[in-house]
Amino acid sequence: GDSVTQMEGPVTLSEEACLTINCTYTATGYPSLFWYVQYPGEGLQLLLKATKADDKGSNKGFEATYRKETTSFHLEKGSVQVSDSAVYFCALSDKGGSEKLVFGKGMKLTVNP
Amino acid sequence: SAVISQKPSRDICQRGTSLTIQCQVDSQVTMMFWYRQQPGQSLTLIATANQGSEATYESGFVIDKFPISRPNLTFSTLTVSNMSPEDSSIYLCSVHLSDRAYEQYFGPGTRLTVT
Repeated sequence: GDSVTQMEGPVTLSEEACLTINCTYTATGYPSLFWYVQYPGEGLQLLLKATKADDKGSNKGFEATYRKETTSFHLEKGSVQVSDSAVYFCALSDKGGSEKLVFGKGMKLTVNP
Repeated sequence: SAVISQKPSRDICQRGTSLTIQCQVDSQVTMMFWYRQQPGQSLTLIATANQGSEATYESGFVIDKFPISRPNLTFSTLTVSNMSPEDSSIYLCSVHLSDRAYEQYFGPGTRLTVT
């Protein structure tokens, strides 16, 4: 079945450091790919998405590019802030997001001032 | 986007009892989903609830343990039956909006502790 493998952490960074969270997937079709974020004490929020190969999703300074050849969707940010401290989940949906989401295990990021 | 509320936000229950979790959406949606997030783990889909039809359960989840109702396009309930400590989790509902392709919106979750 479909699956998502991502870095698990936890990871601690200093403010303004670069961030990369690796995510690779296995799917039978052509999935849509997502990064969700869960801030402390809050619900799960969609951070960014990409629906086809070579698409780049971006939001709040985060970026991720849908790489079909490497089946990857790595999340990057050039300069993290304390407010980026959260748990990040990579996920896929095999039917454009209208069907179920398959999540990676999540990675907790802590950014220190 | 959609505003989703869940009740209760948290509960502590005794082994062997049942708890019903409510999910309310501020707009009409066709598809609603129930997920479980066990402590320190990722989210796992329990079932998909479409209005007017029986819920579709994922492997490892059964209707007798997690009965679901979907009486209309804005509301659903999930019951966790005959609870054991292993059911201690966060339970989340989510919805897909037909006019926002590729996006699902999540409720704040219900944190359940079974003693």
